[in-house]
Amino acid sequence: RKEVEQDPGPFNVPEGATVAFNCTYSNSASQSFFWYRQDCRKEPKLLMSVYSSGNEDGRFTAQLNRASQYISLLIRDSKLSDSATYLCVVGGYQKVTFGTGTKLQVIP
Amino acid sequence: GAGVSQSPRYKVAKRGQDVALRCDPISGHVSLFWYQQALGQGPEFLTYFQNEAQLDKSGLPSDRFFAERPEGSVSTLKIQRTQQEDSAVYLCASSSRGYGYTFGSGTRLTVV
Repeated sequence: RKEVEQDPGPFNVPEGATVAFNCTYSNSASQSFFWYRQDCRKEPKLLMSVYSSGNEDGRFTAQLNRASQYISLLIRDSKLSDSATYLCVVGGYQKVTFGTGTKLQVIP
Repeated sequence: GAGVSQSPRYKVAKRGQDVALRCDPISGHVSLFWYQQALGQGPEFLTYFQNEAQLDKSGLPSDRFFAERPEGSVSTLKIQRTQQEDSAVYLCASSSRGYGYTFGSGTRLTVV
């Protein structure tokens, strides 16, 4: 089993839709959780950290479920500019492991 | 600097050639990471430094790969006798206190 698993997609959604991604991780001792966004041929950029209590940043909501060992990302009111690959990142202080990414395509 | 700087941006190497990839992290960031990203895949961990100490090199795929950070700032990833399977984007990231990781633009290595 991979350390971090994501559905590769692609998720094709119309503008204005709500879309959710899940990511599962295998190491129950994992300490830190992030969602990164990666545009085609660009470096990954931090979208948001994921906290145990859940957190929201505008249209984006991230949640952590330690019992079931998954994190989620919810995007409301999708914009064309949200089209990208979303990488789930899990780890500790010294090393983080990336998922392979979920591709999102928002359609006009 | 304002961000993580990597050079060169692109590198084409003939099979068997040695290459050196440079990473200049954000000033003051003690943690530095190297990742390898193949096409269509997520970044794969290669190695980690805390200041000048290489604390984890478990992700280096072979003894042809070598990384150093002698003064705790700039880091170099060296690949000896490059092979076609080394073709990938090499990403460097730095971090302060393990909170989030800022990535450089990467070096796209193509071995021909």
